[in-house]
Amino acid sequence: AQSVAQPEDQVNVAEGNPLTVKCTYSVSGNPYLFWYVQYPNRGLQFLLKYITGDNLVKGSYGFEAEFNKSQTSFHLKKPSALVSDSALYFCAVRDRNGGYQKVTFGTGTKLQVIP
Amino acid sequence: DSGVTQTPKHLITATGQRVTLRCSPRSGDLSVYWYQQSLDQGLQFLIQYYNGEERAKGNILERFSAQQFPDLHSELNLSSLELGDSALYFCASSGREDYGYTFGSGTRLTVV
Repeated sequence: AQSVAQPEDQVNVAEGNPLTVKCTYSVSGNPYLFWYVQYPNRGLQFLLKYITGDNLVKGSYGFEAEFNKSQTSFHLKKPSALVSDSALYFCAVRDRNGGYQKVTFGTGTKLQVIP
Repeated sequence: DSGVTQTPKHLITATGQRVTLRCSPRSGDLSVYWYQQSLDQGLQFLIQYYNGEERAKGNILERFSAQQFPDLHSELNLSSLELGDSALYFCASSGREDYGYTFGSGTRLTVV
């Protein structure tokens, strides 16, 4: 079985400071990893994905994530937070050897950027 | 616009009633997924269809059912509704297996 853990329900960061939203995963094989963002009353929007290759993945809105196989982590980062980054962030994983196996989402982390 | 269309956007209904939620996937996507999002339980996977066939089942109640039609749109049927069924219901679609999902904007169901 595959699973995702987002250990922080909420992360608070001051505007202009770097931010990190943590994610660890568990799959039996090699993972596909994703980050999504959800603004209030909206659907989830794709931010970035790791499929293969460079462990540092760059995505939308200046976000990036680092795949660390030994620590089974895929933390989301941004060098300088904006108030408009305040939203709910979901990490997700799929076993690349799982055929049509569904993507499993984490429980979400609320990011609050303080002006 | 993500390309995934969900209707209606909002639905208010009474306990015991039945509703149907509709999803049109992004053009070319064969897979459709349904998720329930409530305040206290996060994003819960309900069911997946691929090209008209049920592919995977999650925490879907027996009172709920879904299907995917030949034109690839999907419907989620919720019956004997309870107050606890109030939630956001999302549909997502996917194409190539190495891509993530594209989500619709959701249907907010309120059971009173």
